[in-house]
This record gives sequence, structure tokens and C-alpha cells, in this order.
Amino acid sequence: GAVVSQHPSWVICKSGTSVKIECRSLDFQATTMFWYRQFPKQSLMLMATSNEGSKATYEQGVEKDKFLINHASLTLSTLTVTSAHPEDSSFYICSAHGTSGGTDTQYFGPGTRLTVL
Amino acid sequence: GEDVEQSLFLSVREGDSSVINCTYTDSSSTYLYWYKQEPGAGLQLLTYIFSNMDMKQDQRLTVLLNKKDKHLSLRIADTQTGDSAIYFCAVVYNQGGKLIFGQGTELSVKP
Repeated sequence: GAVVSQHPSWVICKSGTSVKIECRSLDFQATTMFWYRQFPKQSLMLMATSNEGSKATYEQGVEKDKFLINHASLTLSTLTVTSAHPEDSSFYICSAHGTSGGTDTQYFGPGTRLTVL
Repeated sequence: GEDVEQSLFLSVREGDSSVINCTYTDSSSTYLYWYKQEPGAGLQLLTYIFSNMDMKQDQRLTVLLNKKDKHLSLRIADTQTGDSAIYFCAVVYNQGGKLIFGQGTELSVKP
């Protein structure tokens, strides 16, 4: 149980275009999902907390107009990187807060590798 | 704010035990977690421990928690080459249930 999927697993786009990444909780409902980005050989950096039916809460230094988050249902959150630039190239990972087998924690998706040319 | 620290690298021989250490500053987290990340993949929850426990054993994994020293460790018995990965400890930060991660420890297992 507690499976989280992400789509796409990798994407290459041209500078200036927008890219949407989907995060789904497959076998549980998640009122809260989180979006992280990870640079090579570094830890995860929390970008924002996504709450179903309300606006996302962004961490300090994360541009909300550039990283648009929508949490339209209890099983789906999307992150749209608008007007992407090469410095946005990164590994983006989502997680969904849930309970499985009595464990209350975050379950992570497999990540999306974004490369902006 | 919360700070979680880990050593960056650990190298062991196959069959030996591995011990990965983690220290944290905020002691209010109810759960403390260990995640494993293989190259190019997301994070896999390995194990966790409640803050009112000192030790938890799960097959080859043993988690030790010293709340007084704010120290968490993960011991992997009989380490295998398939255990090579980056291991992250994480604690829950009170504000909104956010997870705060350590920098990750890269475990290298040599045959």
C-alpha cells in the first residue's frame, strides 16, 4: 500500500516553455502533498506544501508565480514550472501524507527529472 | 529552525555492519524516519521509530534513538552490495508537519 506515482518520469523542454508534473496517490487519499526539488548529491529542498482545495504554502525563496501548484483532488497534485529556464533543471519529487499499516508519514513518488535546454 | 545533520559518506565491506548516524536539534518530533534513495529514484521509507522508543529492530535494520543527546542511528546488519544508496534521516517539523531531512549519507558497499 501507500504508492505514489509521478508523471512524467523525465522531461526535456526548451527554455521559455512550461512543464506540468503530476503527482498521484494511488491507493490512499492525501489531503496534503509536498513538492521537493533535489540537486545532484544534495538533500531534498521543500518547495511547497499542497493542501487539497486550498492554496499551496510556499517555502521562503520559492517563487509562487513560477512554480504553480494545484491540488484539485485528494489523489492528485500538479506542479507547473512556468517559463522554464536552464537553472530550473533539477529532480522534482513529490510526497503524499498518509497512513499505512499504522505508520503516519510521507510517501514519496519516484521523481521527475527536468532538463531545460 | 530545525537542523538535521548526517555524515556524508560511509564505506563498508560486504557482510559487515553499517552504522549511519544522525543528530537533530528539535526534540518534539513524534516520529523519526529513515529513507533510502537509490540513484535516479525517489525516496523509499525504510523504517521509523516513535519518539518514546529507544530501539526498534526490523529484520536487518536496527534503529537507536537517544533523545537526551538528540541522536538517531541506523544499523544495517550483514550489509549487501544492494544496500549501496543514499540514506536520509528525517524528523517532523512542527509547523505543518513538514519533514526536515539530513544531508544524506552515501553508503558504499564493497565486495
